[in-house]
Amino acid sequence: GAVVSQHPSWVICKSGTSVKIECRSLDFQATTMFWYRQFPKQSLMLMATSNEGSKATYEQGVEKDKFLINHASLTLSTLTVTSAHPEDSSFYICSATLTGGGTDTQYFGPGTRLTVL
Amino acid sequence: GDSVTQMEGPVTLSEEAFLTINCTYTATGYPSLFWYVQYPGEGLQLLLKATKADDKGSNKGFEATYRKETTSFHLEKGSVQVSDSAVYFCALSGLYGNNRLAFGKGNQVVVIP
Repeated sequence: GAVVSQHPSWVICKSGTSVKIECRSLDFQATTMFWYRQFPKQSLMLMATSNEGSKATYEQGVEKDKFLINHASLTLSTLTVTSAHPEDSSFYICSATLTGGGTDTQYFGPGTRLTVL
Repeated sequence: GDSVTQMEGPVTLSEEAFLTINCTYTATGYPSLFWYVQYPGEGLQLLLKATKADDKGSNKGFEATYRKETTSFHLEKGSVQVSDSAVYFCALSGLYGNNRLAFGKGNQVVVIP
């Protein structure tokens, strides 16, 4: 149980185009999902908190108009990188929160490798 | 501020050796503590967790005990295998509301046959 998927697993795009990444909780409902960015050999950097049915909460320094987040249902959140540039190339990871047993636990997707040419 | 600190540098050891990765935290409250593992090219997998003081999380031969007196959550495994080679992240939640996680920098573990 507690499986989170991401699609696509990797994508290559041209500079100036937009890319959408999907994050799905496959066997549970998640009111809250998170989006992270990870640079090589570094830890995860939280980009935003995605809440079902409401606007995402962005971390300081993350451009909300560039990284559009939509949490349309309890099992799906999407991250759209608009007008992508080479500096947006990174590994993007989402997580979904499972509530139970007196605590909330985040389960992570396998990540999406974005390369912008 | 509230944070997680992991020991510096990669860890290289031989198969069947004992593994310890240190993790300490700074928090004003009582966070939940987690260890996540990341294999090359993949996302993070929850390895184990503990939600209150003196709790011991365990999974796949790994253990970690929530020590409030030393604010630590060190990860241990008695006999590592080559397949344990990965990056290990210590994390805590419950400090900022909305279940946000604070991560340590991670430790690369390389197990040599």
